[in-house]
Amino acid sequence: QLQLQESGPGLVKPSETLSLTCTVSGGSISSSSYYWGWIRQPPGKGLEWIGSIYYSGSTYYNPSLKSRVTISVDTSKNQFSLKLSSVTAADTAVYYCAPMVQGAFDYWGQGTLVTVSS
Amino acid sequence: QSALTQPASVSGSPGQSITISCTGTSSDVGSYNLVSWYQQHPGKAPKLMIYEGSKRPSGVSNRFSGSKSGNTASLTISGLQAEDEADYYCCSYAGSSPWVFGGGTKLTVL
Repeated sequence: QLQLQESGPGLVKPSETLSLTCTVSGGSISSSSYYWGWIRQPPGKGLEWIGSIYYSGSTYYNPSLKSRVTISVDTSKNQFSLKLSSVTAADTAVYYCAPMVQGAFDYWGQGTLVTVSS
Repeated sequence: QSALTQPASVSGSPGQSITISCTGTSSDVGSYNLVSWYQQHPGKAPKLMIYEGSKRPSGVSNRFSGSKSGNTASLTISGLQAEDEADYYCCSYAGSSPWVFGGGTKLTVL
């Protein structure tokens, strides 16, 4: 069974770039079965899809975040990463990574809280 | 890309059935059979309950079922149990703006 673990700084300053990594275990990130996604949840609010990547490097982004988001994959480390630039307080959220299979997000990571504050 | 519309809250007594609606448009829910539903308990990661509109992952109770009519998808929980109290989110494929979530519904078991 797949297991995912998010990692990265818990505090980011406004205008800087948020960087997170998702490490996949129990399976290969190069599997053709999955897209790999990032989803976030501001405190007390709902879920928002950020973007997804295929092992080949094909990416799909939420149009509302597209200008600030970059998702990449490192097959040698079985990891994929998220970069969100020019962050503001509105980007404070719990960030989750999850594989997508058959159109659904399964095996969610535990999530990591990122706070944007000076 | 607009969020799918869910009721903010629903409630029911143990043993009863409840239904949570998820209303989209002809560009998302209405056009694709790719609606999924997630259960989230406080402080926990979401858990997949339904995929492709009506399919249950292994290990999910058959008390949970999904359906769709037009631009509205629905999650029904039968035989309500105290452990079902949680937030529920729908998600749909939306074509050019691939994935969109609903705003979430808080289920209270009375």
